[in-house]
Amino acid sequence: SSELTQDPAVSVALGQTVRITCQGDSLRSFSASWYQQKPGQAPVLVIYDRNNRPSGIPDRFSGSSSGNTASLTITGAQAEDEADYFCNSRDSSGYRLFAGGTKLTVL
Amino acid sequence: EVQLGQSGVEVKKPGESLKISCKGSGYTFTSYWIGWVRQMPGKGLEWMGIIYPGDSDTRYSPSFQGQVTFSADKSISTAYLQWSSLKASDTAMYYCARQAGGSHYFDNWGQGTLVTVSS
Repeated sequence: SSELTQDPAVSVALGQTVRITCQGDSLRSFSASWYQQKPGQAPVLVIYDRNNRPSGIPDRFSGSSSGNTASLTITGAQAEDEADYFCNSRDSSGYRLFAGGTKLTVL
Repeated sequence: EVQLGQSGVEVKKPGESLKISCKGSGYTFTSYWIGWVRQMPGKGLEWMGIIYPGDSDTRYSPSFQGQVTFSADKSISTAYLQWSSLKASDTAMYYCARQAGGSHYFDNWGQGTLVTVSS
């Protein structure tokens, strides 16, 4: 299958740790990247190639992968982390894939 | 600083044609693939495909093959997304984004172009 799936919504208490997961067969072979999108804004890359952060992204964001599941972890979630998060990878044909996204609510 | 500047809001009628643009600056435009991503109202991101401005090589998602056309004018560092006959279902925000070298992720995004198709 060349699809990626995410839970539609996740919530976390302020200052706590949250993990957002992405599943798909392609993740066994290709790394995941993650984007944050706030309302009315363009997506922003927060994690690339499994666990690399672009400059300017806080170190509370981290990535990992195991088998067919990639994860984005936010350690000590802040109010400004409330957003939609999308994972992205590719399939064996070279086509890029996006999962449906997870809406993160910080309580 | 890498920047992708997209053209403005478009309001069109079904059947009309449209071409939107994405101008790159702050980097060598011809050395990076540019991707197009659709986001329908209230929905997620959809990868439409990519174009390499250096030689205009294109890769389309099967979902968008034949529905849209990518092009690029490297002399003005601009990529384009065009439709020959719009449908109401083309109503969406369209983002261009730079694909990081040798990878499949997008490291810089344009601000988006909102396209509304309505009779």
